[in-house]
Amino acid sequence: NAGVMQNPRHLVRRRGQEARLRCSPMKGHSHVYWYRQLPEEGLKFMVYLQKENIIDESGMPKERFSAEFPKEGPSILRIQQVVRGDSAAYFCASSPPTGGQETQYFGPGTRLLVL
Amino acid sequence: AQSVSQHNHHVILSEAASLELGCNYSYGGTVNLFWYVQYPGQHLQLLLKYFSGDPLVKGIKGFEAEFIKSKFSFNLRKPSVQWSDTAEYFCAVNPTGNMLTFGGGTRLMVKP
Repeated sequence: NAGVMQNPRHLVRRRGQEARLRCSPMKGHSHVYWYRQLPEEGLKFMVYLQKENIIDESGMPKERFSAEFPKEGPSILRIQQVVRGDSAAYFCASSPPTGGQETQYFGPGTRLLVL
Repeated sequence: AQSVSQHNHHVILSEAASLELGCNYSYGGTVNLFWYVQYPGQHLQLLLKYFSGDPLVKGIKGFEAEFIKSKFSFNLRKPSVQWSDTAEYFCAVNPTGNMLTFGGGTRLMVKP
């Protein structure tokens, strides 16, 4: 039973480029969460998605960041025109659709470095 | 907005010492509580969780945590640490069933 998969594990971008981070949830999980961990800080919630729906994006920066979880395929976190401050580890978590008390299981993360 | 505080940012212990990591949260309603561990170079793994019932929760690898509602605390404990427990530990709360709010983390180093 594969866990949460994220790719790439490491991503290097120059300022102004686009970064696409992918997350495949655990089998049977239909809820996906994205978190960002800045250096020397804890994880901060970004967005919560279900298939084809954004449920809560209260933690997403208003500009340049977007997320989707299509009916088929992985969830994508997209960062346009990256800046140095976007350098961080981005973690995806998934949970089953049990409603209410859900444990989130985390992927290995994507470490983004913006030069 | 809810917040989670972990008082110790860095802890250094010798093997066989006892461990207690503090976690306090600010939220007045019912919460779900979690401790996650991140070993060097690895992803977050769930250590233990509290949803309801017995406030003393036992997790993997000999860890336990006690939920004290009156103190808004969920401290993590282990009677005797090992070198392999060297990791970063995160407390998290989940009041709504959606997003997790994490504490800043505690880096534990266990000296052999």
